[in-house]
Amino acid sequence: GDSVTQMEGPVTLSEEAFLTINCTYTATGYPSLFWYVQYPGEGLQLLLKATKADDKGSNKGFEATYRKETTSFHLEKGSVQVSDSAVYFCALIRYNFNKFYFGSGTKLNVKP
Amino acid sequence: DTGVSQDPRHKITKRGQNVTFRCDPISEHNRLYWYRQTLGQGPEFLTYFQNEAQLEKSRLLSDRFSAERPKGSFSTLEIQRTEQGDSAMYLCASSLARGTGANVLTFGAGSRLTVL
Repeated sequence: GDSVTQMEGPVTLSEEAFLTINCTYTATGYPSLFWYVQYPGEGLQLLLKATKADDKGSNKGFEATYRKETTSFHLEKGSVQVSDSAVYFCALIRYNFNKFYFGSGTKLNVKP
Repeated sequence: DTGVSQDPRHKITKRGQNVTFRCDPISEHNRLYWYRQTLGQGPEFLTYFQNEAQLEKSRLLSDRFSAERPKGSFSTLEIQRTEQGDSAMYLCASSLARGTGANVLTFGAGSRLTVL
């Protein structure tokens, strides 16, 4: 069945460090891929998305590229800030299906 | 619009009691989803509605769980005869069914259930 696998956390970085959070997926067909972020005490928020192979989603300095050949959608940011501390979830939905599959989340801690 | 609202934010109950959660989605969103999230895990699909029709229900959802969306607006999720294993965060999300907003979920802050 469909599934998403994320790297385990927590990930602890210093401010201005480079961030990568790995995400790989298993799905039939051509899913759309998403990154959601959950700040402490808040609901999940869409960070970025990509709907087809080789698409790059970007928002707030974060980027992820839909790689069909490696079934991956890794999240990157060139210079993290303390305010980026949150839990990041990778997710997919298959075309014409209505159920999202989420990874288990990766907690990011950014120290000043 | 103030986004997706969930009530209550936290519910503590004794095993065997019934609990009900309410979700008010974004008004123009015709799809509404319920998810469950346990500590250290991602959201797990429970059920979803398009307007007032419940179109899919997870096989993981026991008969003690029931959800309704009577007028295609707000939704309720009821858990009967709660068990300690039901302790989790219950998340509601909504989306449009078509267009560029389709498949973009807006989540509420969640309702945390603690069963003693």
